[in-house]
Amino acid sequence: SQQGEEDPQALSIQEGENATMNCSYKTSINNLQWYRQNSGRGLVHLILIRSNEREKHSGRLRVTLDTSKKSSSLLITASRAADTASYFCATDKEGSTLGRLYFGRGTQLTVWP
Amino acid sequence: ETGVTQTPRHLVMGMTNKKSLKCEQHLGHNAMYWYKQSAKKPLELMFVYNFKEQTENNSVPSRFSPECPNSSHLFLHLHTLQPEDSALYLCASSHDGTRNEQFFGPGTRLTVL
Repeated sequence: SQQGEEDPQALSIQEGENATMNCSYKTSINNLQWYRQNSGRGLVHLILIRSNEREKHSGRLRVTLDTSKKSSSLLITASRAADTASYFCATDKEGSTLGRLYFGRGTQLTVWP
Repeated sequence: ETGVTQTPRHLVMGMTNKKSLKCEQHLGHNAMYWYKQSAKKPLELMFVYNFKEQTENNSVPSRFSPECPNSSHLFLHLHTLQPEDSALYLCASSHDGTRNEQFFGPGTRLTVL
């Protein structure tokens, strides 16, 4: 299976701390995406990183991609209680044009005020 | 979340009922997706429509029947479901099947009694 696997499954931190989540996948990709989901709601796209990129920033988010290790990390700096959510990585398959994404089980992040 | 809307938001049905889930996207996208999200499992892709044509059916039982009358609307018709079909059903859209940042609706929480 291509699906990404996030690690850890759950992460609990205090406001102001940084949160790091990791994702591993199995086959070559065109790009990797991170999504966020608040409880019982739809997923929200956060950031996309292409296979030829190593790092990308968006506000307090920093994503890295290591294609040699087939892994990615999502760093949220200076976390806030409102960052509490589940975070998912999603990959496609290299050469695929169908737009199919493979999601992991997610990391549940809890940020305590 | 207003880019992709789903109705109803909650649905309780018996195993002999017939019901339909509706999804509408206001983003001018050409690809639409149905996903099933169950507790403790990765997001499962069910169906993909690209320019109104079904391009993927991920081995979904025939008691789930999709319909895509145009690029803006997607339905999931439900008939003789089982209790294990209880889940959050998410609709998503993307520009087309090749640019795969996906935009999700809020989901329909389905309970099958």
